[in-house]
This record gives sequence, C-alpha cells and structure tokens, in this order.
Amino acid sequence: QKEVEQNSGPLSVPEGAIASLNCTYSDRVSQSFFWYRQYSGKSPELIMSIYSNGDKEDGRFTAQLNKASQYVSLLIRDSQPSDSATYLCAVNKGTGANNLFFGTGTRLTVIP
Amino acid sequence: NAGVTQTPKFRILKIGQSMTLQCTQDMNHNYMYWYRQDPGMGLKLIYYSVGAGITDKGEVPNGYNVSRSTTEDFPLRLELAAPSQTSVYFCASSYDTNRHEQYFGPGTRLTVT
Repeated sequence: QKEVEQNSGPLSVPEGAIASLNCTYSDRVSQSFFWYRQYSGKSPELIMSIYSNGDKEDGRFTAQLNKASQYVSLLIRDSQPSDSATYLCAVNKGTGANNLFFGTGTRLTVIP
Repeated sequence: NAGVTQTPKFRILKIGQSMTLQCTQDMNHNYMYWYRQDPGMGLKLIYYSVGAGITDKGEVPNGYNVSRSTTEDFPLRLELAAPSQTSVYFCASSYDTNRHEQYFGPGTRLTVT
C-alpha cells in the first residue's frame, strides 16, 4: 500500500468552477499535511499546510483534513487557467527527516 | 533571499561520466534533501542531511553520493552515470522536521545517453 495516494487525473474544470483534489494516506500517526503546486517543467511550490482536523482557508484555496478517515483535500474556488498544474499531496509521518512522503500528483486543467 | 538554488539547469552526460549537482540555500535551514522525479512516479528521496557533517540515505541512494560541509551547501555526486539516472533532480530544505515544510530549488534536468 502506498503511503500517499492521489488520483492522477487529469481533472478538467471550467473557469470559475470549484476544483476538488483529493488525497488519502495510509499511516494514522501522520501529523502534518501539505499541498504543493507544480507547473510543467518547474519545481514543486508549497501552497498549503494543514496540521489539525477541519478546514484551513487561504485566499481561493481551502485545505480540508479528516484524520479519522485519513483524507486530505484541496478546494480551489473560482478556478483560473493559471491554476492548471499538477498538485502534489505530501504527508509527514513523524519528526524524522525521511518521514515526508509525496503522492504522484493530480493534473488539473482549467478550461477557459 | 534567493531560497534554494541549483546548478546546472540542464546537463547531458555520457554513460560512465561523473558530475556534481550543486545546491545552496540561504534560509539557514538545517535540513536538506535530494529528490529525483521521474514521469508518473512522484518524488523519490535520494539522500538527506540533518546538519553540517551529517548525511543519510533515502529511498533510492544507489549510484549517488552527498556531502554537507556547510549549512548552506549540499552537493549531489553522480559517479559512473547510467541511463537509469536520467531524471529531474530537486534539492529542498526545511527549517525543521516537526512541521516539515520543505522548499524546493528549480531543479536540474539530467539526461544520460
């Protein structure tokens, strides 16, 4: 079983719609959770961190964490063509330096 | 702050050649990492360092070596390059491993032919 699982997509949404990206993780002891955005040919960029159950909002982005269901999601409101990218979910299992695990990413396309 | 910088951006190597990928960070982070990213395979940890003078293997260390003589620099050495090492290499750093927010450099695209 993979540590972090994401649907590879592609996920296509029209401009202005809400994009919903999902991620599940295998280890219940996981403590912190991240969403990275990666444009084609570029490096991953940290866009959201979440550490406790519930929602965390930052501008058009909302991260949602449900530790009981081992589920993290990212909502992008009012999607723009510039949001078209691959979104990587990352999960920190503990305090060791080798305890951050990445999903393979979901490719999002926002259609003008 | 420049953040994490990497050189070179692109490189083509012949089989059996060696090279060093450079990584520097100016955020005074103790923790540094090297990843490789292959299409559809996600990020794989090659080596990491918890501070100057301390390094350890990640998930895919074979064919690579690292050193960490200063807090700022974390070079990755490829000895005897093989086609399987064709990949995009990212260096990253973090302030701690408690929250573990990692910040990435721009990457090096390496082709071994």
